[in-house]
Amino acid sequence: AQTVTQSQPEMSVQEAETVTLSCTYDTSESDYYLFWYKQPPSRQMILVIRQEAYKQQNATENRFSVNFQKAAKSFSLKISDSQLGDAAMYFCAYRSSLYNQGGKLIFGQGTELSVKP
Amino acid sequence: EAGVTQFPSHSVIEKGQTVTLRCDPISGHDNLYWYRRVMGKEIKFLLHFVKESKQDESGMPNNRFLAERTGGTYSTLKVQPAELEDSGVYFCASSQDLDRALTSGRAPIGTDTQYFGPGTRLTVL
Repeated sequence: AQTVTQSQPEMSVQEAETVTLSCTYDTSESDYYLFWYKQPPSRQMILVIRQEAYKQQNATENRFSVNFQKAAKSFSLKISDSQLGDAAMYFCAYRSSLYNQGGKLIFGQGTELSVKP
Repeated sequence: EAGVTQFPSHSVIEKGQTVTLRCDPISGHDNLYWYRRVMGKEIKFLLHFVKESKQDESGMPNNRFLAERTGGTYSTLKVQPAELEDSGVYFCASSQDLDRALTSGRAPIGTDTQYFGPGTRLTVL
């Protein structure tokens, strides 16, 4: 069974600085999808960025980028120029590409990011 | 376009009572998922509907949980009778087009993205 681990329950960053959130996963599959979701306080979870395992190029979305290391099964999220609005719980998630897995997401424990002004 | 909505936002009930949670997915989304986060742990999958059919209910904890999706639109998750360990936040998510993603191997970006509702916080006393 696949597992996702986020070893940093809490992280803190100064506004305008850069922070990296860690995520590792375990799978025997070769093709899959990885996601970072963000849940601001009292608001719903939104997708930040996704990575297809077959792509070697790291995904980027504006100030958000990932460092995808397939062999190491690592998928970290880098937030550049941190803003107060980035404060949230961040979840790393895995999704199999196999039909019989049905698209369900497997989540890590989450990392609570605080941004200091 | 309206997002995924869930009702109620909070529910506090006594052990042994029944609670029904509702999820309205984004219109046109065939796939509907239920997840749960208990006591600050990881979010765990409960089940997956494709239209009105249960595709995967491997995450349902026990037979006290019953999920339905009437006519392939909104879904309800009933807990009866509720136990203390059922407390947590229940999330619903929907996605548009999973089948094409899985059978063809690649989906147009976004069609298989799961959009989450705000969650229902359930407290069982």
